[in-house]
Amino acid sequence: AQTVTQSQPEMSVQEAETVTLSCTYDTSESNYYLFWYKQPPSRQMILVIRQEAYKQQNATENRFSVNFQKAAKSFSLKISDSQLGDTAMYFCAFMKHYGGSQGNLIFGKGTKLSVKP
Amino acid sequence: DSGVTQTPKHLITATGQRVTLRCSPRSGDLSVYWYQQSLDQGLQFLIQYYNGEERAKGNILERFSAQQFPDLHSELNLSSLELGDSALYFCASSPPVGESTDTQYFGPGTRLTVL
Repeated sequence: AQTVTQSQPEMSVQEAETVTLSCTYDTSESNYYLFWYKQPPSRQMILVIRQEAYKQQNATENRFSVNFQKAAKSFSLKISDSQLGDTAMYFCAFMKHYGGSQGNLIFGKGTKLSVKP
Repeated sequence: DSGVTQTPKHLITATGQRVTLRCSPRSGDLSVYWYQQSLDQGLQFLIQYYNGEERAKGNILERFSAQQFPDLHSELNLSSLELGDSALYFCASSPPVGESTDTQYFGPGTRLTVL
């Protein structure tokens, strides 16, 4: 079975600084996706960024980027120029790829990020 | 706004009761997923439907059931409710096989409180 581990329950960062959230996962699959979702106080689940396991290039979305280390089964999220609106719970998630159809998401326990002014 | 709608937003009920949560996926999406978020268990996958058929089951209790209707909306039925069923229940949808199938879009959730 696949597992996702987020070892940092809480983190804080000053506005405009850079922060990195860690995630490791365990799987025997070779074809899968990894995601970071953000859950602000509103409780809405918002997709931040996704990575296909077969792609070596790290995904980027504006101020968000990942460091995907497939051999180490590590998938960290870097937030640059942190903004107050980035304050949220961040979940790392794994999804097995079934070759044309997708499976369910397996989530880590989350990292609560506070951006301080 | 993800395009996924869930009703009701909040539900307060008593132990032993039965409730129905409703989800409408994004236009064109065929897959619907149900997840439960609780303080004890975190975010857990419950069940998936694809175009009306059950596709996968996760940690769904026997007291819980779901279905997806011809118009693709889905309902999650929770019966014989216990205090521990209090949680935020999310519905997510994703596009049909063959399209960009790797992203699930979440609804706003239904907050269930069992007293």
